[in-house]
Amino acid sequence: DAGITQSPRYKITETGRQVTLMCHQTWSHSYMFWYRQDLGHGLRLIYYSAAADITDKGEVPDGYVVSRSKTENFPLTLESATRSQTSVYFCASTGEGGRSYEQYFGPGTRLTVT
Amino acid sequence: QKEVEQNSGPLSVPEGAIASLNCTYSDRVSQSFFWYRQYSGKSPELIMSIYSNGDKEDGRFTAQLNKASQYVSLLIRDSQPSDSATYLCAVNDPDSGYALNFGKGTSLLVTP
Repeated sequence: DAGITQSPRYKITETGRQVTLMCHQTWSHSYMFWYRQDLGHGLRLIYYSAAADITDKGEVPDGYVVSRSKTENFPLTLESATRSQTSVYFCASTGEGGRSYEQYFGPGTRLTVT
Repeated sequence: QKEVEQNSGPLSVPEGAIASLNCTYSDRVSQSFFWYRQYSGKSPELIMSIYSNGDKEDGRFTAQLNKASQYVSLLIRDSQPSDSATYLCAVNDPDSGYALNFGKGTSLLVTP
């Protein structure tokens, strides 16, 4: 089915472990984004990508790494997970088209770091 | 810091009434404005986008934009219990690849 998917949907990991969250979209959208959502903070941008091999930091990038070797995939890696990275992570994408830039979100990954 | 401000609520309205949700933003260069609905435990779902001053209607939803006042609103007519959710106001950030800056959301409760 067309759309944007994320995996895993739920993940529990230990402090210090490396974790990779996957995001895949079938629309061939140029732009992809990673947000995290926490109570009291709302949605905050971690990283974004304008195209394959083009990525840039958002508001809260520390402790995260991204890559984008293919247009449809945008994995997010926590190099050494910390408890403060316990959150719900959303991937989103948008295509080019004038000033539209409507973003569509994946179902999210709920990550718990113990 | 580019701010998007919303009242957290909860906003409680009776079934059939009009719900009015408000949002202000700080970045004058923003050009695109969005309302998302988020049910508990789910991802944000786009319900309205607006780019020009004035009103935009889509079914029971009307978005209003006033760039001079840096103000966006969402009206929900004939509110239904299924409209009970958190509504997120989002404003594009041209400095970040058109990422969105989100408000913290307004919780809406529609009571039967």
